[in-house]
Amino acid sequence: QKEVEQDPGPLSVPEGAIVSLNCTYSNSAFQYFMWYRQYSRKGPELLMYTYSSGNKEDGRFTAQVDKSSKYISLFIRDSQPSDSATYLCAMKRTNAGKSTFGDGTTLTVKP
Amino acid sequence: GAVVSQHPSWVICKSGTSVKIECRSLDFQATTMFWYRQFPKQSLMLMATSNEGSKATYEQGVEKDKFLINHASLTLSTLTVTSAHPEDSSFYICSAILRGKETQYFGPGTRLLVL
Repeated sequence: QKEVEQDPGPLSVPEGAIVSLNCTYSNSAFQYFMWYRQYSRKGPELLMYTYSSGNKEDGRFTAQVDKSSKYISLFIRDSQPSDSATYLCAMKRTNAGKSTFGDGTTLTVKP
Repeated sequence: GAVVSQHPSWVICKSGTSVKIECRSLDFQATTMFWYRQFPKQSLMLMATSNEGSKATYEQGVEKDKFLINHASLTLSTLTVTSAHPEDSSFYICSAILRGKETQYFGPGTRLLVL
């Protein structure tokens, strides 16, 4: 079983929809939780990161971490066609170096 | 703006030649750098981790003599694909953990095509 599980999708939504992307994990030692966005033929771009449990909001994006359930989410409000990309969750222990990545969820937002 | 750059962004080479890819952290010192490869529509595959001044740590199944990594300074790491073959054609991406940060920042990637 993988340490981080992420539904690969693909996920297709109409423009303006609220998108929910999720990951589950098994390692309770993870303290940092990240979301990356990767456009086709580009390197991943860090969208948001959260330390420990709680919510974090940045514009149309909200990241949630529930450590008790070992479950993290990324919500995208008012989704746009430009949000079409692969979204990767990642997490790590403090001072651990490398992060453990999910396999990514491919999202398409249709105009 | 970008914090990690890669050069070249794409390269085509003949089978049997060697190719060097550079990864630089811009304006920040990188305590650790990582090299990934990614095949189309597949997830990131970590190849190796390198720290400045020490030998790289390779993931299981990655040939260290095939993929030479040099972390010459706190802002530069290089990946050399030696005696490249068509099966080495892939998208290579570096990332870095910057001093004082916990998260990884990725470069834009290098597309390698071996003919």
